[in-house]
Amino acid sequence: QKEVEQNSGPLSVPEGAIASLNCTYSDRGSQSFFWYRQYSGKSPELIMSIYSNGDKEDGRFTAQLNKASQYVSLLIRDSQPSDSATYLCAVNEYSNYQLIWGAGTKLIIKP
Amino acid sequence: GAGVSQSPSNKVTEKGKDVELRCDPISGHTALYWYRQSLGQGLEFLIYFQGNSAPDKSGLPSDRFSAERTGGSVSTLTIQRTQQEDSAVYLCASSLSSVFNYGYTFGSGTRLTVV
Repeated sequence: QKEVEQNSGPLSVPEGAIASLNCTYSDRGSQSFFWYRQYSGKSPELIMSIYSNGDKEDGRFTAQLNKASQYVSLLIRDSQPSDSATYLCAVNEYSNYQLIWGAGTKLIIKP
Repeated sequence: GAGVSQSPSNKVTEKGKDVELRCDPISGHTALYWYRQSLGQGLEFLIYFQGNSAPDKSGLPSDRFSAERTGGSVSTLTIQRTQQEDSAVYLCASSLSSVFNYGYTFGSGTRLTVV
């Protein structure tokens, strides 16, 4: 059974600080890794994708992938109250049609 | 279209009635997925389409649930004889390819309430 695990939170971070969200996965064959943001009452929105080991930066967001340790993380710099949401980690292996989803981490940015 | 379109956005139905939920994916996206999300819960996979065929229906909760996709585009999820436990947000997502996953784009969902 392929699994993706996330701490459910809530993770509370002061405004302006760095929020660090973590995700581990069980399938060593996994090739594609995604972070989605879901605001309350809204649908998930893709914010980052990463396919190779290392860091990938996009504005205030950095995704980090370590395939040897089977974890992927998302860093949010200069956290804003508007970053308060549930962050979903999703993983799949090459040629597999389906993403395996974590349950999500609820992030709260306190002004 | 520019995004994944779902209709209706909200549906209230009486227990025992049938409902149809529609999804219009992004043009050119061959893969289409249906998920269900109950309040405060994670995403529950229902069914996957590649083109018009559904290689994986394993997530459909019961035989009251069915789905089809026509012309490699629009998909309809039908729930027969609705029950209160069917109340949830039904999300549709599409993807450019299912072989190498580029990630999904979700529609805004249909909130189904069975009373």
